[in-house]
Amino acid sequence: GEDVEQSLFLSVREGDSSVINCTYTDSSSTYLYWYKQEPGAGLQLLTYIFSNMDMKQDQRLTVLLNKKDKHLSLRIADTQTGDSAIYFCAGGGYQKVTFGTGTKLQVIP
Amino acid sequence: DVKVTQSSRYLVKRTGEKVFLECVQDMDHENMFWYRQDPGLGLRLIYFSYDVKMKEKGDIPEGYSVSREKKERFSLILESASTNQTSMYLCASSYGGVANTEAFFGQGTRLTVV
Repeated sequence: GEDVEQSLFLSVREGDSSVINCTYTDSSSTYLYWYKQEPGAGLQLLTYIFSNMDMKQDQRLTVLLNKKDKHLSLRIADTQTGDSAIYFCAGGGYQKVTFGTGTKLQVIP
Repeated sequence: DVKVTQSSRYLVKRTGEKVFLECVQDMDHENMFWYRQDPGLGLRLIYFSYDVKMKEKGDIPEGYSVSREKKERFSLILESASTNQTSMYLCASSYGGVANTEAFFGQGTRLTVV
């Protein structure tokens, strides 16, 4: 099955950019996703990228996909305290999605 | 708005008890999932279902079973709860039949087995 790995923790200052990285093993994943989990809540989809794309931009979020290296990243520009959360990358196709371990983002005011 | 509702936010059960975790979704989604979330391990898939009365094992099904008698409801059953099943349980649903399987999550049930 798919393995998805992330670093567990990232700390940035308010106003800086955050970059959260993810590596995955299954190159057949059709879509790759970024989910956000705020304290005490379930996960919410932030953005996704189709596997034949290299980059997707959505306001402050930029997703980069390097299929050769099986590497996915999420860049958050002008990081705010409200961005403090756990971020999960995930990959999959029909029906089943595999989630990474999650990266806890701490934003320092 | 898609809504996935889990019946309890917090549960405390005794070792050996049979535990039912209920999940209901209101978007007519075909797919439903049960995950457990543990620090440093992320989300691990326990079971999923892509249709009524259908179920598939995920990555860690041991000690669990599921039931899907109606499309909107997916139940997770711990046949005999053990302390190593203390965890956060997350239910999710998604629309079937397309590759973009955005999942919608419930708020989670934090289960403590004592």
